[in-house]
Amino acid sequence: AQTVTQSQPEMSVQEAETVTLSCTYDTSESDYYLFWYKQPPSRQMILVIRQEAYKQQNATENRFSVNFQKAAKSFSLKISDSQLGDAAMYFCALEGNYQLIWGAGTKLIIKP
Amino acid sequence: NAGVTQTPKFQVLKTGQSMTLQCAQDMNHEYMSWYRQDPGMGLRLIHYSVGAGITDQGEVPNGYNVSRSTTEDFPLRLLSAAPSQTSVYFCASSPLDRIERGSYNEQFFGPGTRLTVL
Repeated sequence: AQTVTQSQPEMSVQEAETVTLSCTYDTSESDYYLFWYKQPPSRQMILVIRQEAYKQQNATENRFSVNFQKAAKSFSLKISDSQLGDAAMYFCALEGNYQLIWGAGTKLIIKP
Repeated sequence: NAGVTQTPKFQVLKTGQSMTLQCAQDMNHEYMSWYRQDPGMGLRLIHYSVGAGITDQGEVPNGYNVSRSTTEDFPLRLLSAAPSQTSVYFCASSPLDRIERGSYNEQFFGPGTRLTVL
């Protein structure tokens, strides 16, 4: 069975600082994708960044980057220069065999 | 493009009542899915479909039925609502093309339906 674990229910960071959100997963698939989604209070799910498992290079999208460790099955999200608008729930998700498996989420609080 | 639309946005039911949550997308996506989101938990897959006429169960299918008669629509039916089905429900769609390396299935989400069963 595929599983995704986010061990940090809540994280806080000072505005303009850097924060890292952790995610570990388990899968027997060899071809899969990993995602980080953001869910602000509006409830809308917004894709932040994605990583193809076959690519060794870590994905980057502006202030968001990942540290993908395939052997360790770890997929952490780093947010640089944190902004007030980054405050939200962040979910790690694993896709394989037409199913998205989600972690429980991390609530990110930005301190002004 | 309207993207993925869901109706209603809010619904209150009594135990034993039935209802259908509507989901539609105008992006011609083959793949559609239903999730439920409960407090302190991530989204859990209820049912999904890879094309018209094809549906399959996800992680938590009990108490829910789906059908896919068209590419655009993927309704979720609760035949006899129970308090345990109180949740926020999300519909999502994505292209199914994974033939080529480098393609990925970003799922596009609807705004969600908050369902309360009393």
